Amino acid sequence: DAGVIQSPRHEVTEMGQEVTLRCKPISGHNSLFWYRQTMMRGLELLIYFNNNVPIDDSGMPEDRFSAKMPNASFSTLKIQPSEPRDSAVYFCASSGRAPYNEQFFGPGTRLTVL
Amino acid sequence: AQSVTQLGSHVSVSEGALVLLRCNYSSSVPPYLFWYVQYPNQGLQLLLKYTTGATLVKGINGFEAEFKKSETSFHLTKPSAHMSDAAEYFCAVEGAGTALIFGKGTTLSVSS
Repeated sequence: DAGVIQSPRHEVTEMGQEVTLRCKPISGHNSLFWYRQTMMRGLELLIYFNNNVPIDDSGMPEDRFSAKMPNASFSTLKIQPSEPRDSAVYFCASSGRAPYNEQFFGPGTRLTVL
Repeated sequence: AQSVTQLGSHVSVSEGALVLLRCNYSSSVPPYLFWYVQYPNQGLQLLLKYTTGATLVKGINGFEAEFKKSETSFHLTKPSAHMSDAAEYFCAVEGAGTALIFGKGTTLSVSS
């Protein structure tokens, strides 16, 4: 099993540019999660999907952030326009069916906005 | 609502010493509890989990945790620390739906 795959692993962009982060969950998993990790705020849940449907997006910081899951094997997190304070490591995780909900994390995308 | 509190953002031990990382939870239903480890520049990796049954749970790399309902705790221990255990550790409880609620993490430093 390849695990959760994220791309790119590193992204450096300039303020105002659009950034798209990609995630491929583990095959057969029906839940997908996007997290952001910074030194200041720790690990924050941004949004999660069940069966490709967004369930809770209350962690999305503002309208500049959007996430989609067009099918069971792909999700994107988009930031438009990006700002320096968006610099962080973004993790994608997936999990199978309840009740145990063990989440498997991808390696993360390190985003730097200049 | 479920929540997790990790006591101590940073714990330092000597190699060979006991490791104790503290986690207390709040849950209105019987909880499912997890410990994850994050090594530098990597994603989170599951160490162990408690679902039902035996309250002493053994995980990878010699770690174990004991679920104590009366104390609402799920502390992580390892009898003898190794340099390779230096990492950040996260306690989590199952939240609403399929989401996990993570604590703020504890950084473990191991000195020789």
